[in-house]
Amino acid sequence: DAKTTQPPSMDCAEGRAANLPCNHSTISGNEYVYWYRQIHSQGPQYIIHGLKNNETNEMASLIITEDRKSSTLILPHATLRDTAVYYCIVPPAGNEKLTFGTGTRLTIIP
Amino acid sequence: GAVVSQHPSRVICKSGTSVKIECRSLDFQATTMFWYRQFPKQSLMLMATSNEGSKATYEQGVEKDKFLINHASLTLSTLTVTSAHPEDSSFYICSAREGQSEQYFGPGTRLTVT
Repeated sequence: DAKTTQPPSMDCAEGRAANLPCNHSTISGNEYVYWYRQIHSQGPQYIIHGLKNNETNEMASLIITEDRKSSTLILPHATLRDTAVYYCIVPPAGNEKLTFGTGTRLTIIP
Repeated sequence: GAVVSQHPSRVICKSGTSVKIECRSLDFQATTMFWYRQFPKQSLMLMATSNEGSKATYEQGVEKDKFLINHASLTLSTLTVTSAHPEDSSFYICSAREGQSEQYFGPGTRLTVT
C-alpha cells in the first residue's frame, strides 16, 4: 500500500479556505488518491479522488503535485459543518480495499 | 444519488445473543459491499468484503463464524454478530460500490452488548 501521512489536526477559521495536506511519496503511477471525511458518530463521506490532474467538485478541490508524491484537499469556504476527520487514502491499484489511517482532525473555528 | 442505509442505527443486546445489521444501497446496485468496525477514538478497520452471490472474504483476525455476512442481492448485505459479548460493542459501518466506482458508506450502527 502507498502509505499516507497527514497532520493529526488543523484549525481553520469559518469562511476561509481549508487546505489539508497529504504525503504519499511511495505512490505508484496507476494509484488514485481518495479523500473521505467522517463527521463525529457518522459513516465516512466520499469527497473526491484523482490520479494526476487536479480535480474539483461541489465539495472540494484536489491538487496533486506533478510528481504525485503529495496532494492537498481544499475546502474553499469552510463552514462549521466541515468539522470532521479527513482521510487521505491511496488504495493499491486493482485493490478495492480502503485502509483508513488516523487522518486529520479539522476544526472550523467560528 | 449513491445512498447507503443501515438498520438499526443503534442496538443494545444482552451478552450471548445474536444481532443482525442490515446494509442497503438505495439507488445503485452494490456489486461489492464492505463491513468495517470502529472502536472509540480509533479509525475504521475493515472486517470483510463481500461480492453479491459469493462468500465474504474476511480480514486477518476477524472470525468468520462469529461475524456472519450475507450478500444475497445487489442491494442488501447483512452482518450478524453471533453470541455477542461486551468486547463486540462497537460502531459497525458498511460501504458499497458499484463496479469500480468509489465506495459510499452507510451511517453506521452502534452496537452495545450488556
